[in-house]
Amino acid sequence: DIQMTQSPSTVSASVGDRVTITCRASQTISPWSAWYQQKPGKAPKLLIHRTSILESGVPSRFSGSGSGTEFTLTISSLQPDDFATYYCQQYNTYPWTFAQGTKVEI
Amino acid sequence: QVQLQESGPGLVKPSETLSLTCTFSGGSINGNYYTWIRQPPGKGLEWIGNIYYNGNTKYNPSLKSRVSISVDTSKKQFYLTLTSLTAADTAVYYCVNSPWGPYYFDYWGQGTLVTVSS
Repeated sequence: DIQMTQSPSTVSASVGDRVTITCRASQTISPWSAWYQQKPGKAPKLLIHRTSILESGVPSRFSGSGSGTEFTLTISSLQPDDFATYYCQQYNTYPWTFAQGTKVEI
Repeated sequence: QVQLQESGPGLVKPSETLSLTCTFSGGSINGNYYTWIRQPPGKGLEWIGNIYYNGNTKYNPSLKSRVSISVDTSKKQFYLTLTSLTAADTAVYYCVNSPWGPYYFDYWGQGTLVTVSS
């Protein structure tokens, strides 16, 4: 299986901060990565697929980039609604796998 | 708008079999893949497997000997069966879908918590 590792596990930030979350894959998966946002008690929400394609309705402050084995999710200016846990996923090789998540907290 | 709804028991005994149903609405069930994902309490997401509307399946090797996914297009439902349950199978189980293939997941059910305990 392809292992996905996110860093940091937790990020403490303030409204207006720029936040970057990194996801590393154990082998090349480019460009087949996706990012999700999950709030407590809710199902995950798809934010980005194919490394950098923003889903319809997702604010433009979210962006994704990367290649090979390293991918990033950036929130350019953190808003109150963005405090949540974020997960990356690879869909290059079955079984699809997720990283352990990054919690963005105040 | 596509909607997915899981249903099934909230409590199952160790060694027993879990059966969950996902009801699909708001679109055509044909031509799509349907996936099950689970999340143990306080932990990350695990892809269980998927099924194409024609019945072709893919499973996570970590569960392959215990898992089965099936579909009934006439009822617009798909199903998860997981045998020989242990406490490690305690999780929120989500049924998910995307119109773009089996790769990433636009639509999620609300999730159903399954607890394995005697």
